[in-house]
Amino acid sequence: AQSVTQLDSQVPVFEEAPVELRCNYSSSVSVYLFWYVQYPNQGLQLLLKYLSGSTLVKGINGFEAEFNKSQTSFHLRKPSVHISDTAEYFCAVRGGSGGSYIPTFGRGTSLIVHP
Amino acid sequence: DARVTQTPRDKVTEMGQEVTMRCQPILGHNTVFWYRQTMMQGLELLAYFRNRAPLDDSGMPKDRFSAEMPDATLATLKIQPSEPRDSAVYFCASGRPDGTSAEAFFGQGTRLTVV
Repeated sequence: AQSVTQLDSQVPVFEEAPVELRCNYSSSVSVYLFWYVQYPNQGLQLLLKYLSGSTLVKGINGFEAEFNKSQTSFHLRKPSVHISDTAEYFCAVRGGSGGSYIPTFGRGTSLIVHP
Repeated sequence: DARVTQTPRDKVTEMGQEVTMRCQPILGHNTVFWYRQTMMQGLELLAYFRNRAPLDDSGMPKDRFSAEMPDATLATLKIQPSEPRDSAVYFCASGRPDGTSAEAFFGQGTRLTVV
């Protein structure tokens, strides 16, 4: 079975400050990892994904994440946030090649950017 | 710009009424997921279809919920009879998990309110 833990339910930060949203996963097989963003009254939109290769992946809107297999983590980072980054962020895991195709989501982290 | 289309966007209904939510997956995608999002439970998987066949509906209350894919361009989720505890946002997502993209693409959701 696979699971995802997002360690912070809410992260307040000031505009232009750096931010890290934490994600840990549990899986017995190789994994694919994703970060999604959800703005109010909208669906989930993919920010970035790790499938294989370089452990540092870059996504849209200046976000990046690093896959750490030994720590089973996939933390999301941005060096300087904007007010418009205020949203809900979800980490997700699914099995890699040959594994489960069903994505499992964390509970979400609400990023609140203050002016 | 290919996208998952869900209808209706909002639905208010009285307890006991039947509710049908519809989803048009992205053309060429062979998997469809139904998720329910609530504050208490986060994103819960209700059903998973691959090549139109239901492969996992273990998260769905069987006595009142049903999910079908009458053809490759339409997935439906029905609740009969509806109850106030069914109030939530229901998301449909589609994908080609055995392809190079691997992620699930989400629709805008149907916000259901049962009074």
